[in-house]
Amino acid sequence: GENVGLHLPTLSVQEGDNSIINCAYSNSASDYFIWYKQESGKGPQFIIDIRSNMDKRQGQRVTVLLNKTVKHLSLQIAATQPGDSAVYFCAENSRAAGNKLTFGGGTRVLVKP
Amino acid sequence: KAGVTQTPRYLIKTRGQQVTLSCSPISGHRSVSWYQQTPGQGLQFLFEYFSETQRNKGNFPGRFSGRQFSNSRSEMNVSTLELGDSALYLCASSFRGDNVLTFGAGSRLTVL
Repeated sequence: GENVGLHLPTLSVQEGDNSIINCAYSNSASDYFIWYKQESGKGPQFIIDIRSNMDKRQGQRVTVLLNKTVKHLSLQIAATQPGDSAVYFCAENSRAAGNKLTFGGGTRVLVKP
Repeated sequence: KAGVTQTPRYLIKTRGQQVTLSCSPISGHRSVSWYQQTPGQGLQFLFEYFSETQRNKGNFPGRFSGRQFSNSRSEMNVSTLELGDSALYLCASSFRGDNVLTFGAGSRLTVL
């Protein structure tokens, strides 16, 4: 995949455990945040998003937390499964910037059976 | 419904050549964005087109250009290829440009 050889932070997690992936952003004007999952040989796939007027949003097995004070975003995956093994990217956007996402560097999640 | 389709999936070019990549967005989506993904720089925004107009542009040299057709299909072109242009080029579409992006699988360009 595209990220082979890149020294991505890696999170190794046991199947069934919960995973927490962290992301710091720098633009105070960002008002929209998204988490994407990218599997080898595929494009990024939308997981969950959150707007800056919220601090928590839940989806199916995933929760995103936003702390605007320290410009920090996290993705929690409950009961991690082998299919969750992938690279996870956070992305930020601001309405003023238009539809122009700024992506973080990514975190590789390896799920051990 | 069909997803975002990018062609070709893989291609090899030599320095100095030019390349054109194609993207067919999800039916009904009017916004198409392009991103470059490399191991060193990660995912970087190239440009966005909406209703045949470039609405936003990233920090890439003028060798990188694009266009959008009336059916929302988009092409991007890179002229005078350099080794550093080797990357996965990703296209993403959205309905109006302010929604969640749906990405294609990408076109992997290798420049020799």
